[in-house]
Amino acid sequence: SAVISQKPSRDICQRGTSLTIQCQVDSQVTMMFWYRQQPGQSLTLIATANQGSEATYESGFVIDKFPISRPNLTFSTLTVSNMSPEDSSIYLCSVAGDKSVLTFGAGSRLTVL
Amino acid sequence: GQQLNQSPQSMFIQEGEDVSMNCTSSSIFNTWLWYKQDPGEGPVLLIALYKAGELTSNGRLTAQFGITRKDSFLNISASIPSDVGIYFCAGQRTSYDKVIFGPGTSLSVIP
Repeated sequence: SAVISQKPSRDICQRGTSLTIQCQVDSQVTMMFWYRQQPGQSLTLIATANQGSEATYESGFVIDKFPISRPNLTFSTLTVSNMSPEDSSIYLCSVAGDKSVLTFGAGSRLTVL
Repeated sequence: GQQLNQSPQSMFIQEGEDVSMNCTSSSIFNTWLWYKQDPGEGPVLLIALYKAGELTSNGRLTAQFGITRKDSFLNISASIPSDVGIYFCAGQRTSYDKVIFGPGTSLSVIP
């Protein structure tokens, strides 16, 4: 399965600022997925990122708040904009392998003060 | 929208005991996945199920795809301390749908 690297692994940010999370995959993949995991909660899909097209956002998530880039088949970024304490979460990058199996990065743990 | 339910929400067991947890849905799924998440890590796939009635093992872990296609079960035999973590079920209705995750079962193993 693919190996996924995320940066930063964790960060503490001030409210009103923005943070960009990077996701690097060791192989070319068509779709990359960004999930949010709020404290003590399950994983919620933010958006699906395809190379060469705009990301597809799930209900409750908008591009202005979570802009995504997908410049090539091995890399994607997620920006959390104008952060508030409610954005404190783990943000996870994932890719789909054979038969819908998702592989995840270790996540980026964000704390907003 | 689609929703998965997991039970129990949390478990405290003695080392060596067997563990059972389940996942249910009001919708039919064609794929069931079981993941484990350790602290500070992303979820890691344990078992994938693709056919109603399918029973699949991975070491001490066994999972089943329910006959109704609305549920799945995960069993862990002879638990050990490294089994501690959060276990998520995930389902996909068709290969074109997104994968959704249950709320998780937190497992604690007492040595």
